[in-house]
Amino acid sequence: KQEVTQIPAALSVPEGENLVLNCSFTDSAIYNLQWFRQDPGKGLTSLLLIQSSQREQTSGRLNASLDKSSGRSTLYIAASQPGDSATYLCAVFTITGANNLFFGTGTRLTVIP
Amino acid sequence: EAQVTQNPRYLITVTGKKLTVTCSQNMNHEYMSWYRQDPGLGLRQIYYSMNVEVTDKGDVPEGYKVSRKEKRNFPLILESPSPNQTSLYFCASSFSTGTYGYTFGSGTRLTVV
Repeated sequence: KQEVTQIPAALSVPEGENLVLNCSFTDSAIYNLQWFRQDPGKGLTSLLLIQSSQREQTSGRLNASLDKSSGRSTLYIAASQPGDSATYLCAVFTITGANNLFFGTGTRLTVIP
Repeated sequence: EAQVTQNPRYLITVTGKKLTVTCSQNMNHEYMSWYRQDPGLGLRQIYYSMNVEVTDKGDVPEGYKVSRKEKRNFPLILESPSPNQTSLYFCASSFSTGTYGYTFGSGTRLTVV
């Protein structure tokens, strides 16, 4: 069964810093990997989707990379802002067995003004 | 607007009283799924469906039922709710290979007393 791990579980940074969030997964037979943002008690907002054939995707200050062979993805946030404070989740859609979507437990980010 | 609609957003009920949480998507997605989110445990899959009349158990299916009679709808049924089913529930949908990523509903916060 696919296992998805996110490190660190929580992170506090001062405003303006660049930061990296990590996601690792055990089964490399994936269709894609998606990064989400979740504000407390709210729904999931999709940030970036990387197909298994891609190496990275960019949207504004966000850049996500994927190394499928090593089972790793990173989300890079440039010039962090207090509004970036949220929990960031990665999810992989796995091919092996029943096609299915597996989530990590998230990284809670706090950007201090 | 392309979206996944869950209802209700908030629900308080008593132990044993049957309830249904509805989920509907307007994107012609084949794949739909239900998750529950609990502090410290992340998002855990309850049931998923690859298409009409095709459903399968996720990681935590006990105490839940689903049906997929139409492509757009995927209701979650709690026949006899118990307090341990108090949680935040999310419905998600995608094309079957996840090509365009997953769209999530806004969530249903269920409290069973």
